[in-house]
Amino acid sequence: DTGVSQNPRHKITKRGQNVTFRCDPISEHNRLYWYRQTLGQGPEFLTYFQNEAQLEKSRLLSDRFSAERPKGSFSTLEIQRTEQGDSAMYLCASSLSQGHYGYTFGSGTRLTVV
Amino acid sequence: AQTVTQSQPEMSVQEAETVTLSCTYDTSESDYYLFWYKQPPSRQMILVIRQEAYKQQNATENRFSVNFQKAAKSFSLKISDSQLGDAAMYFCASYQTSYDKVIFGPGTSLSVIP
Repeated sequence: DTGVSQNPRHKITKRGQNVTFRCDPISEHNRLYWYRQTLGQGPEFLTYFQNEAQLEKSRLLSDRFSAERPKGSFSTLEIQRTEQGDSAMYLCASSLSQGHYGYTFGSGTRLTVV
Repeated sequence: AQTVTQSQPEMSVQEAETVTLSCTYDTSESDYYLFWYKQPPSRQMILVIRQEAYKQQNATENRFSVNFQKAAKSFSLKISDSQLGDAAMYFCASYQTSYDKVIFGPGTSLSVIP
């Protein structure tokens, strides 16, 4: 297994455009998490899945954000009508069952909205 | 509530010396886990060390060790024999079973001086 994979690594988009990011977790991990990290800050929780079920969404996740994990494997995070404030690093992580053993993170997708 | 605080935005250490990074946390539960994550520049976040709250013994991983003071809700990371490759952002984090997700502190940027 190659770990948690995120694509693309970088994305530059114009304000108002829609963007979609993909995360492929470690294959045997049934938990998948999305975090957002701005420069010089710690990751902030956005949402997470157990298999295909989305268990929780943060209040940070406005209705312009949607995440899916259709078959309990890879996940997508879509941002509609992007705003400059959406510029950040979007991190994906996965874990086997609950998070008390910690997470394995991907390298992230850096979004720049111009 | 589940919060993590790191009061040192930046730290520096001479190569081969020892440095301690501070972290305090707040939790209302007895079942929780604490972590230190390392995030090198432009690289993915990796788990450095993990502590189970019900264990009194401090966790150690090679040159990395923690000082877990449960009553004071303090969880510091000690790095011995610092190496240039230790330069990174370090995030303290906690997992509380009832919240079912990892919460991160704001991070400490560690520089290693040759």
